[in-house]
Amino acid sequence: QQQVKQSPQSLIVQKGGISIINCAYENTAFDYFPWYQQFPGKGPALLIAIRPDVSEKKEGRFTISFNKSAKQFSLHIMDSQPGDSATYFCAASGDYSGSARQLTFGSGTQLTVLP
Amino acid sequence: DGGITQSPKYLFRKEGQNVTLSCEQNLNHDAMYWYRQDPGQGLRLIYYSQIVNDFQKGDIAEGYSVSREKKESFPLTVTSAQKNPTAFYLCASSRLNEQFFGPGTRLTVL
Repeated sequence: QQQVKQSPQSLIVQKGGISIINCAYENTAFDYFPWYQQFPGKGPALLIAIRPDVSEKKEGRFTISFNKSAKQFSLHIMDSQPGDSATYFCAASGDYSGSARQLTFGSGTQLTVLP
Repeated sequence: DGGITQSPKYLFRKEGQNVTLSCEQNLNHDAMYWYRQDPGQGLRLIYYSQIVNDFQKGDIAEGYSVSREKKESFPLTVTSAQKNPTAFYLCASSRLNEQFFGPGTRLTVL
């Protein structure tokens, strides 16, 4: 079964610090790697995504770093804020079936940013 | 406002009963999905649909059924055959790469 392994399971960071979440995948056919943010009791929301033809993508305080040879990618949250406290999921996909794209999700990281 | 709505927000079911979770989208997306989320785990795909009157099994389809009679609607039925149905259920839709999620339905079996 295709897997995406995510670590750490939980992360506590001081306000203003850098939060780093890592993911590793097995399937070399994956070509789309999104990160989702989920607040308690809510549905996930797309945060940022990357394709393997670039090694880094930055949007505001959020950066994805991608290492194709190591089959790893990570999310960096700069200047972490208490409002960033949420669960973060990485995902990967390479499977298009018509209009549908199947995502394989990591197990999630619960981030707590202390004030 | 465009988006995805799921109802109800909370649902309680007795063992042996079938229940149907509603999912509606007004984003004009062709593809729709159902996921199950358990504590400490990622999202697992139950079913997905590319187009009206077509749907495919995901990784954990046993004990679930779906229909897609309208582009906007993709209801999920949790049948009595699902052995452990208590979970948070998420519906999503997509066009191209990005999947948009609804607010979820929390199902509890009593």
